[in-house]
Amino acid sequence: DTAVSQTPKYLVTQMGNDKSIKCEQNLGHDTMYWYKQDSKKFLKIMFSYNNKELIINETVPNRFSPKSPDKAHLNLHINSLELGDSAVYFCASSPANLVDTQYFGPGTRLTVL
Amino acid sequence: QQQVKQSPQSLIVQKGGISIINCAYENTAFDYFPWYQQFPGKGPALLIAIRPDVSEKKEGRFTISFNKSAKQFSLHIMDSQPGDSATYFCAASSGQAGTALIFGKGTTLSVSS
Repeated sequence: DTAVSQTPKYLVTQMGNDKSIKCEQNLGHDTMYWYKQDSKKFLKIMFSYNNKELIINETVPNRFSPKSPDKAHLNLHINSLELGDSAVYFCASSPANLVDTQYFGPGTRLTVL
Repeated sequence: QQQVKQSPQSLIVQKGGISIINCAYENTAFDYFPWYQQFPGKGPALLIAIRPDVSEKKEGRFTISFNKSAKQFSLHIMDSQPGDSATYFCAASSGQAGTALIFGKGTTLSVSS
């Protein structure tokens, strides 16, 4: 009965590669998010989608592209990976009636070599 | 520009003691102030949250104190236990659908037995 799930949990890849991280929520929430947590544990928003529409697109390199095929999924595709992309990426979701209450997934640790 | 400032960066408390973490915000449009708890290798989990219409909220051993005029809020953990050892993040948001949480930089709490 996982609420917000992400795959893979760990991702190790070479510079220049393209990779995707998948996120699914089974809570029936309308809004989904991607956050990045750096090596100092600082959490920062990258994107948010509400009912499949992009709401927030922070200053993130355009190598990062979110894709929301339906309300339950928000995937993150990263092109031409760089060393500085190494971080933990968290997906989150929130319900329409409690827009602030965000539920986080377990995270994907991305390591770029 | 950091909109939510959190202190201290780390905290060591004896078992049974009181842990206090402080946050200050700048944006007067913020109207939701949650605290998240994160264990190593896990995603942040909502611990307790408050809105500006109340000055204090208590849930079990956890209490948020909120001072709207000073734009400050704090988390108090009473009777701290070794199982409380984790990283704690304060956050703030302005309550619109898809609005991101703006996080503080986190406090690593260690409760010694």
